[in-house]
Amino acid sequence: SQTIHQWPATLVQPVGSPLSLECTVEGTSNPNLYWYRQAAGRGLQLLFYSVGIGQISSEVPQNLSASRPQDRQFILSSKKLLLSDSGFYLCAWSVGPGGSYNSPLHFGNGTRLTVT
Amino acid sequence: EDQVTQSPEALRLQEGESSSLNCSYTVSGLRGLFWYRQDPGKGPEFLFTLYSAGEEKEKERLKATLTKKESFLHITAPKPEDSATYLCAVQASTGGYQKVTFGTGTKLQVIP
Repeated sequence: SQTIHQWPATLVQPVGSPLSLECTVEGTSNPNLYWYRQAAGRGLQLLFYSVGIGQISSEVPQNLSASRPQDRQFILSSKKLLLSDSGFYLCAWSVGPGGSYNSPLHFGNGTRLTVT
Repeated sequence: EDQVTQSPEALRLQEGESSSLNCSYTVSGLRGLFWYRQDPGKGPEFLFTLYSAGEEKEKERLKATLTKKESFLHITAPKPEDSATYLCAVQASTGGYQKVTFGTGTKLQVIP
C-alpha cells in the first residue's frame, strides 16, 4: 500500500531564516505531488504541484519554492521566512500519468510552521 | 472561478442523532467531488469520490450523495469518534493538471 511521510511535524523558525520541508511517498511510482497550505477558517490553498522529476508548477507567487529531486521526493523551501508564512503545510500525492485522471489526493500529516 | 461552500460551519450532535452536511459547488465541468475527514493536527483523510449526479457512496455510518449543484454527507447514528472536520472538494475538468478546489469544512462534534 502507498504511504506518504512528511517531516518535521512542527517547526518554529525566526523571521528571515531558511526553510526546508520534506515529503516522500512509498508504494507508488510517478505520482503527482502537491504542496498545500491550510490557514484557519480557509480552504486548502495549492502552492505547488509536480508531475515529474524537476517539473514544478507554482500556483501562488510568494517567497516559497519547491523541488522534486527524485521521483517520490518533494521539498518545500524558502531562503528567508516571513511572518505570513506561518501555517499548516500539507504534502499530497495522487496517481500520476497513466492512472485515473480524477484520482483523489492523499495527504501527509502536515507540518505546523510558526514563524516568530 | 470554481467555488465550494460548506454548511454549517460547525455542528454539534448528540450521539445517535443523525444529520447531514452540505457542500454546494460551482465548477466549470465537474470531473469529481471528494469528501475528506480531518482530525485536529492531522492531514485530511480521503473518504469518497463522486463522479456524476445521482451517485451515492457509503462507508460505515457515512453516506455521500451528489446532485448537479451540491453534495450531502449523511451521518447516521453518529458516535463520538466521528467528531472531526469534514472537507468537500471539487475537481474541474479544465486545466492540464488535477485542479482541486476545497471548501472550508464543517466541524462536527458528537457528544456522548
